[in-house]
Amino acid sequence: QKEVEQNSGPLSVPEGAIASLNCTYSDRGSQSFFWYRQYSGKSPELIMFIYSNGDKEDGRFTAQLNKASQYVSLLIRDSQPSDSATYLCAVTRGSRLTFGEGTQLTVNP
Amino acid sequence: DTGVSQNPRHKITKRGQNVTFRCDPISEHNRLYWYRQTLGQGPEFLTYFQNEAQLEKSRLLSDRFSAERPKGSFSTLEIQRTEQGDSAMYLCASSHSGVTGELFFGEGSRLTVL
Repeated sequence: QKEVEQNSGPLSVPEGAIASLNCTYSDRGSQSFFWYRQYSGKSPELIMFIYSNGDKEDGRFTAQLNKASQYVSLLIRDSQPSDSATYLCAVTRGSRLTFGEGTQLTVNP
Repeated sequence: DTGVSQNPRHKITKRGQNVTFRCDPISEHNRLYWYRQTLGQGPEFLTYFQNEAQLEKSRLLSDRFSAERPKGSFSTLEIQRTEQGDSAMYLCASSHSGVTGELFFGEGSRLTVL
């Protein structure tokens, strides 16, 4: 079983729609949860993190965490073509950050 | 210096040769990470340093790979006797120890082994 699994995608949504990205993790000892965005040919960049159960909102982005279900999600509201990228879910245990394979999102104008 | 710097950006080598990559982290960051990424995959953890100490190394990492961070500043990643399967993007990231998981990545060093 992979430590971090993401819905495989690719995911395509029209401009202005809500994009929903999902992630599950296997290690119940995982402590913190992150979403990174990676544009094609570029390096990952952090967009959100969440530590506690519930929702965390930052502009058009909302991260959701359910530790009992070992589930993390990212919602992108009012999706824009500039949101087209691969979204990487990552979890920490200790000082190690483990990434999922990523979900490729395309927002169509 | 406003970011993580890696060089060389691209390296083409023949199988069996040794290669070395260098990473200069953000100056105030005391943690430094190396990851490997292949097409369509997420970054795979290789190793990490806190200051000059190498605190963790992936069990999947071959003994052909070695990393150093002398004096807790820049780091080098050496791959000995390269194999075609080593072809990948090697990413370096740094962070402050107070914010585990908030990594700042360099642009990466792409290795092609012929």
